[in-house]
Amino acid sequence: AQTIHQWPVAEIKAVGSPLSLGCTIKGKSSPNLYWYWQATGGTLQQLFYSITVGQVESVVQLNLSASRPKDDQFILSTEKLLLSHSGFYLCAWSLVGEADYTFGSGTRLLVI
Amino acid sequence: GDSVTQTEGPVTVSESESLIINCTYSATSIAYPNLFWYVRYPGEGLQLLLKVITAGQKGSSRGFEATYNKETTSFHLQKASVQESDSAVYYCALAPSNYNVLYFGSGTKLTVEP
Repeated sequence: AQTIHQWPVAEIKAVGSPLSLGCTIKGKSSPNLYWYWQATGGTLQQLFYSITVGQVESVVQLNLSASRPKDDQFILSTEKLLLSHSGFYLCAWSLVGEADYTFGSGTRLLVI
Repeated sequence: GDSVTQTEGPVTVSESESLIINCTYSATSIAYPNLFWYVRYPGEGLQLLLKVITAGQKGSSRGFEATYNKETTSFHLQKASVQESDSAVYYCALAPSNYNVLYFGSGTKLTVEP
């Protein structure tokens, strides 16, 4: 069975500090991977997607970056957090050519 | 661009009442996008409830139904008789041509009272 694991579960970070969020998918080879973000009271917005190792496409610019260093790993990061980065971050995967997304349990980020 | 608009929440209904959550879409990149309803139950992750990829077809799951209406560009979610366990946040979503992007509506929080 496929599993998707996100870490950490929650973070409180200072403005201007770096951030790294991780996502690992087990049991599925070469999935499409996605990062989503939802501000408190806001809409889920897709940030990035990746269809293969080393290749990441940006959907919405939020002064964040993403990388896919391994087939089963997707990393979201920034060197300098802004207050506006607070929210809920979700990782997801799907099979190539399909739009049925399976989501992780998310990371809640508070920037202070 | 492509977008989805759904019923503003929160919505409160009594158990055994009927429910409709409205969803309309705008698709500029493709004539017939794939349409989805996702749900987040309290304490759980976001999960797929149902999907329809062909205009005119109906999808169903857990007693919920949604019909893909290309004339009205709508994909309303309906249930004839809701239960307390249906309390959740429901999201309408659209996938355009390449399936690499999924656009979500703002979500509708449903509370079903006993």
